[in-house]
Amino acid sequence: DTGVSQDPRHKITKRGQNVTFRCDPISEHNRLYWYRQTLGQGPEFLTYFQNEAQLEKSRLLSDRFSAERPKGSFSTLEIQRTEQGDSAMYLCASSLDWVRGTEAFFGQGTRLTVV
Amino acid sequence: EDKVVQSPLSLVVHEGDTVTLNCSYEVTNFRSLLWYKQEKKAPTFLFMLTSSGIEKKSGRLSSILDKKELFSILNITATQTGDSAVYLCAVWYGGATNKLIFGTGTLLAVQP
Repeated sequence: DTGVSQDPRHKITKRGQNVTFRCDPISEHNRLYWYRQTLGQGPEFLTYFQNEAQLEKSRLLSDRFSAERPKGSFSTLEIQRTEQGDSAMYLCASSLDWVRGTEAFFGQGTRLTVV
Repeated sequence: EDKVVQSPLSLVVHEGDTVTLNCSYEVTNFRSLLWYKQEKKAPTFLFMLTSSGIEKKSGRLSSILDKKELFSILNITATQTGDSAVYLCAVWYGGATNKLIFGTGTLLAVQP
């Protein structure tokens, strides 16, 4: 499978624990995005990378959230001291550099449940 | 504030009906508009629209963009139960930031 892959697909954690998600983008894509989606809502932008550089972070991304893409390939999203409000689907997407806009392809997501 | 608004929020139709989903946007530095279909998993790409008035078509689905009036429509003809999903509209914008802004989606239910 050469699409975007995310791991794990599901994660249940107790409040206060730390969790880390991984995203492997399409290999030739240099842009990588993290989104969060809650029930009945569209995906909300969290952050994005061009190669290894994190170029933008949303206000939604509190200090408990950190994302890395150390070698410009896979990325990790860590949530520290999880709260019940962090329960959501975390989606990763990747795309090429664009001039007039290009398709972004999404992974299957990681569904986080904080109990 | 940049935003993407979709309507209706939900829609129930019978197989064979034709549906039109709407997406309006207010986005600075508009680049392109994308439509996605989302079933119980990640969004899957349908169309990308960059130029006004040029219809994109794929089977029973088609879409068009009006950059003057800042909206797009997604049409589905001869609907089937497999078309049941959330349809998401998203806009790329350029300038200092490069990200997709999504609408809340339209939930389409096609009944047999």
